[in-house]
Amino acid sequence: NAGVTQTPKFRVLKTGQSMTLLCAQDMNHEYMYWYRQDPGMGLRLIHYSVGEGTTAKGEVPDGYNVSRLKKQNFLLGLESAAPSQTSVYFCASRPVGGGKNIQYFGAGTRLSVL
Amino acid sequence: DQQVKQNSPSLSVQEGRISILNCDYTNSMFDYFLWYKKYPAEGPTFLISISSIKDKNEDGRFTVFLNKSAKHLSLHIVPSQPGDSAVYFCAASGIQGAQKLVFGQGTRLTINP
Repeated sequence: NAGVTQTPKFRVLKTGQSMTLLCAQDMNHEYMYWYRQDPGMGLRLIHYSVGEGTTAKGEVPDGYNVSRLKKQNFLLGLESAAPSQTSVYFCASRPVGGGKNIQYFGAGTRLSVL
Repeated sequence: DQQVKQNSPSLSVQEGRISILNCDYTNSMFDYFLWYKKYPAEGPTFLISISSIKDKNEDGRFTVFLNKSAKHLSLHIVPSQPGDSAVYFCAASGIQGAQKLVFGQGTRLTINP
């Protein structure tokens, strides 16, 4: 059972380059989330999706775009990377209902923008 | 504005003793609270949670306490073990919409043998 898988695990970009981070989950979860973690700031929500074909902005959406074309995949794009986007990115998913808002996380993507 | 705060960046506890991690929140609309544990180079993993209708929830060595009037929750680990050394995040959410989680900054717990 793979759970939530993030690709790639590490990436170094130059300022202005673009890239896409892939998140895949095999738990048939409806909701998916992208976070970034920076030192001393915990995890901050970038974008999220409540189902296939839907996306919404989180707390820190500027500079990022997302797409949820398939239920199991949630893509995070950086069109023109900036040094301020150097961070560790986590994807999470959770099912609808169940009474407990437990999100399941991937192992993260460490991104450096030079 | 930090809605969920963990004011202790780090905590060091001797093996076998009790570890107490604290978390404060400001939004009175939060009604579900969670603790996550994170090892280096891994994603956060769910540890324990509590609904606002309760003031205590236990799971083995882990107990979470909620004081709604003080907008404060704490995680107790008894007895502490070396494998508990990790970063602990508290998180809070409301019941509406996508039930987004708001995380604290994290506390790095080190258990000394």
